Amino acid sequence: QQQVKQSPQSLIVQKGGISIINCAYENTAFDYFPWYQQFPGKGPALLIAIRPDVSEKKEGRFTISFNKSAKQFSLHIMDSQPGDSATYFCAASGQTGANNLFFGTGTRLTVIP
Amino acid sequence: NAGVTQTPKFRILKIGQSMTLQCTQDMNHNYMYWYRQDPGMGLKLIYYSVGAGITDKGEVPNGYNVSRSTTEDFPLRLELAAPSQTSVYFCASTSLRGEGEAFFGQGTRLTVV
Repeated sequence: QQQVKQSPQSLIVQKGGISIINCAYENTAFDYFPWYQQFPGKGPALLIAIRPDVSEKKEGRFTISFNKSAKQFSLHIMDSQPGDSATYFCAASGQTGANNLFFGTGTRLTVIP
Repeated sequence: NAGVTQTPKFRILKIGQSMTLQCTQDMNHNYMYWYRQDPGMGLKLIYYSVGAGITDKGEVPNGYNVSRSTTEDFPLRLELAAPSQTSVYFCASTSLRGEGEAFFGQGTRLTVV
């Protein structure tokens, strides 16, 4: 059972455009929602994260939008650059039992010049 | 500050051989995880541990074993390597409460021939 559902699986965006990746979850015990960025040959690394007491968090060109009632959150990359080309994973964690960290299936983003 | 260290980075195994993938972290994290990532795919949880002496199966545990004798180390054992275990393996750790940033190792690329 996929605890965190992520879409799309792949995304192609032109340089300067907006990249949007969406995630949805069911377990209301989740209280931390990070996004990870993974470049080829590397491990995932934390990009930006949000807690459910805010609806939006922005760090530079990266923004998380969070809709608690819909149990959805999304990553927006403004002014997308070729250097943003990577795989992005959403995740959710909280006091949900023994295993408390769940990842989405990943989105491969390609930004074309 | 080493973070999460995995060894080896690359390995080629013959069918039926065994090996141990090493993972160690120096952040005093209680939660540790092993994932496998197949080409173009997301992260699949193999095993996880919530503390020394405590381990549990994830989504794809068959063919693998783990142990957690110390907080720092979480080795992954492959007993009888099969071609289906060709993958990139990532170890990760999170803090005591399992919330907050997950730190990943650089990965081990394993090929079974």
